[in-house]
Amino acid sequence: SQTIHQWPATLVQPVGSPLSLECTVEGTSNPNLYWYRQAAGRGLQLLFYSVGIGQISSEVPQNLSASRPQDRQFILSSKKLLLSDSGFYLCAWTRGGGDYGYTFGSGTRLTVV
Amino acid sequence: AQSVTQLDSQVPVFEEAPVELRCNYSSSVSVYLFWYVQYPNQGLQLLLKYLSGSTLVKGINGFEAEFNKSQTSFHLRKPSVHISDTAEYFCAVTLGGTGNQFYFGTGTSLTVIP
Repeated sequence: SQTIHQWPATLVQPVGSPLSLECTVEGTSNPNLYWYRQAAGRGLQLLFYSVGIGQISSEVPQNLSASRPQDRQFILSSKKLLLSDSGFYLCAWTRGGGDYGYTFGSGTRLTVV
Repeated sequence: AQSVTQLDSQVPVFEEAPVELRCNYSSSVSVYLFWYVQYPNQGLQLLLKYLSGSTLVKGINGFEAEFNKSQTSFHLRKPSVHISDTAEYFCAVTLGGTGNQFYFGTGTSLTVIP
């Protein structure tokens, strides 16, 4: 069966520090991978998605970046965090075609102080 | 492009009462529709999905939804809610058969009152 792992679960980082959140999927190959952010009391904002290794589509221009160094690994990064980067970050995967729906990771609560 | 509207941001309901969470979508082509539930500080979990066929789909935890093409709606219902149903609910749409990107509504916060 397929599983998705996302870590860390919580993170407190000072303003201006770097960020690296990692997401890995097991039990499938060539998944579509996604990073979403959920601000407090808000809906889901798509940040990045990837349909293959090295293929990254950015939905929101900001100080975040994403990389997909391996087929089942998706990394969200920042060189310098802002206060506005605080939120709940969710990784998700699906297979192409849309019929499978998303499977989400358990999320990372990021607080920038 | 597709879009999803969840008309109710908050829905309070008494325990054991029925509930309907509304979702309308906008698309000129065939779509797949989904409902997800999110408990506090957790990821989203798939409740149910409509791909094709019968317009009434049943999901986990006693929830069901009905696809109405003429009204472009996909409302979520449960005949009798429990305290444990208190959560955030998201409706989502993607292009049928080719969708790589899902579009989410802004969510409906369901609060079940004892």
